[in-house]
Amino acid sequence: AQSVTQLGSHVSVSEGALVLLRCNYSSSVPPYLFWYVQYPNQGLQLLLKYTSAATLVKGINGFEAEFKKSETSFHLTKPSAHMSDAAEYFCAVSVTTGNKLVFGAGTILRVKS
Amino acid sequence: EAGVTQSPTHLIKTRGQQATLRCSPISGHTSVYWYQQALGLGLQFLLWYDEGEERNRGNFPPRFSGRQFPNYSSELNVNALELEDSALYLCASSLPPGSGANVLTFGAGSRLTVL
Repeated sequence: AQSVTQLGSHVSVSEGALVLLRCNYSSSVPPYLFWYVQYPNQGLQLLLKYTSAATLVKGINGFEAEFKKSETSFHLTKPSAHMSDAAEYFCAVSVTTGNKLVFGAGTILRVKS
Repeated sequence: EAGVTQSPTHLIKTRGQQATLRCSPISGHTSVYWYQQALGLGLQFLLWYDEGEERNRGNFPPRFSGRQFPNYSSELNVNALELEDSALYLCASSLPPGSGANVLTFGAGSRLTVL
């Protein structure tokens, strides 16, 4: 069964610093992988998706993620954090049977001024 | 283009009552998904509907049920409410199965509080 593990329930960075949010996946077939962001009291917004094309995926708001099959990872990065990036981030894998997404537990990103 | 809309935004019920939550998908999307986001439990898959049929169900008791209407909108019903049903219920929609990577677009959610 497909699953994702997000390492670190809370990550704190200074404004302007590198953001790195970690996600490892488990899948017996080539996966589709996603990163979503959730701002307080809102739904989830798609940041980016990997669908077996380019391994480096660029998303909105300056975020990108690299699919590394050898490491079964899909970490999310942003070169320079902004205060507005403070939110909860979810990594997800598309499950081939049932057409649903399976989400990781989420990582809360705090940006310090 | 209108996004996924959910109603009500907030709902307060007491134990034993029933709650009904509603969702309208993006135009052209035939699949609707329901997720529960309870404090400390992450995002748990509840139900998937497509073309009016229930296609998949998560590990929830039968008192969680729903349906999809001919216009692809959906409602989620929770009967015999329990305190632990308090959560944010998120609805998402996507293109039909087989359209490629099933990108889910989420609504803002309905927050259910059970007293």
